[in-house]
Amino acid sequence: GAVVSQHPSRVICKSGTSVKIECRSLDFQATTMFWYRQFPKQSLMLMATSNEGSKATYEQGVEKDKFLINHASLTLSTLTVTSAHPEDSSFYICSASDKDTNSPLHFGNGTRLTVT
Amino acid sequence: AQSVTQPDIHITVSEGASLELRCNYSYGATPYLFWYVQSPGQGLQLLLKYFSGDTLVQGIKGFEAEFKRSQSSFNLRKPSVHWSDAAEYFCAVGPANNAGNMLTFGGGTRLMVKP
Repeated sequence: GAVVSQHPSRVICKSGTSVKIECRSLDFQATTMFWYRQFPKQSLMLMATSNEGSKATYEQGVEKDKFLINHASLTLSTLTVTSAHPEDSSFYICSASDKDTNSPLHFGNGTRLTVT
Repeated sequence: AQSVTQPDIHITVSEGASLELRCNYSYGATPYLFWYVQSPGQGLQLLLKYFSGDTLVQGIKGFEAEFKRSQSSFNLRKPSVHWSDAAEYFCAVGPANNAGNMLTFGGGTRLMVKP
C-alpha cells in the first residue's frame, strides 16, 4: 500500500539552529502534501499545504518565514524550522495523497522535535 | 466552516467488551469521513473511510463505523476490544470532491483497555 516516509523520527537541536524534516511518498506521486503539528495529548493542527512546484499555503497564525516549506518534486516535501526555539518543540506530521487515484491521505510516522 | 467533535476525551473499556467512539461533524457540503488511529509517538493509520453508498462501512482490525446524516454522526464501533487497540483515535472530515485534500480533525479520543 501507499507509504509516506518521514525523516528524522526524532531530533534534538539547540535554540537558534535550524532543523529540516523530510517527507517522502515512496510508491506514489503527490502533488500536494500537508504538514501538521501536534501538541501533547492534542489533535493535529494543519500548518500548511505544500504544493509541488509552487509556494506553500500557510494556515492563519503560522509564520511562513519560520516554517519554510519546499516541495521540489512529486515525491518530496521538506519542512525547515528556522531559528528554532523551545516553544517550537512539538510532534510534526506530514501527509500525502496519491494524485492519480485521489486516495485518502497517508501519514508519515511523525518527527518529534525537541529544542533545548 | 467545517468542524469535528469527539465528545469523549478518554474512554476506558475492559478487554473483550464492545466499544463505541462518538464523532459529530459540521460540514457545508457532502463530506468524506475518516477514522484514524495513532499509537504513541507514531503517525496516523487509516482505519476506515466513508465516501458514499452503504452507510455502514467496515475497516481494518475489526472496526466499523456508521454514517448517520440526520444526526451528523460517524461513530466508530468494535464488538470486542483487544488490549492492542489502546491508542488515540481521530475522526476527520474532508471535502467530497477531493479525498486527498486537507482534513479537519476532531480532538481525539484516548482509548484505554483494562485487562
